[in-house]
Amino acid sequence: NAGVMQNPRHLVRRRGQEARLRCSPMKGHSHVYWYRQLPEEGLKFMVYLQKENIIDESGMPKERFSAEFPKEGPSILRIQQVVRGDSAAYFCASSRGQGRGNEQFFGPGTRLTVL
Amino acid sequence: GIQVEQSPPDLILQEGANSTLRCNFSDSVNNLQWFHQNPWGQLINLFYIPSGTKQNGRLSATTVATERYSLLYISSSQTTDSGVYFCAVEKGGTSYGKLTFGQGTILTVHP
Repeated sequence: NAGVMQNPRHLVRRRGQEARLRCSPMKGHSHVYWYRQLPEEGLKFMVYLQKENIIDESGMPKERFSAEFPKEGPSILRIQQVVRGDSAAYFCASSRGQGRGNEQFFGPGTRLTVL
Repeated sequence: GIQVEQSPPDLILQEGANSTLRCNFSDSVNNLQWFHQNPWGQLINLFYIPSGTKQNGRLSATTVATERYSLLYISSSQTTDSGVYFCAVEKGGTSYGKLTFGQGTILTVHP
């Protein structure tokens, strides 16, 4: 049973370009979460999605960032017009359900470097 | 939001030593997880433990939900245990899904 898959593992972008990060949840999981780990900082929640729905985006920056989890295909975290401060490790997690009893499993992360 | 504090922030051990890592949290929780982030940056699930005690090999964990803390025990440490240990909680009530992480304990095990 494959774990959470993320790609690419490493992504280099120049300032002003777009970054697209992909996440495929574990088989049987329909809940997806994105977290960001900035250098020298801890992991911070960004957004929680179910198929075709954003449940909680309280951790998403107000501009340039968006996320989706379509009916078919992986979840996408999109960063438009990247800046150097967006350089970080972006982790995706998935769970079978929500609330008590639902453990989150993490992917290997995408390390974004903005030149 | 909920606050999560981990201690100690850094820990240096000789191989074979035992250690205890602590996680305090400021509110009731639905879920609590312990992770190990290895030197390659990967987050490894160690325990899902909103309450009670669990053991897995040389590692064990205890959460006392009523007193709002959790402990991670590492016995007979090995160099491969080095890395950062994170505690993460999901606040009780309707804050489903959102894990709040502590700042981590950086563990270094010397041979």
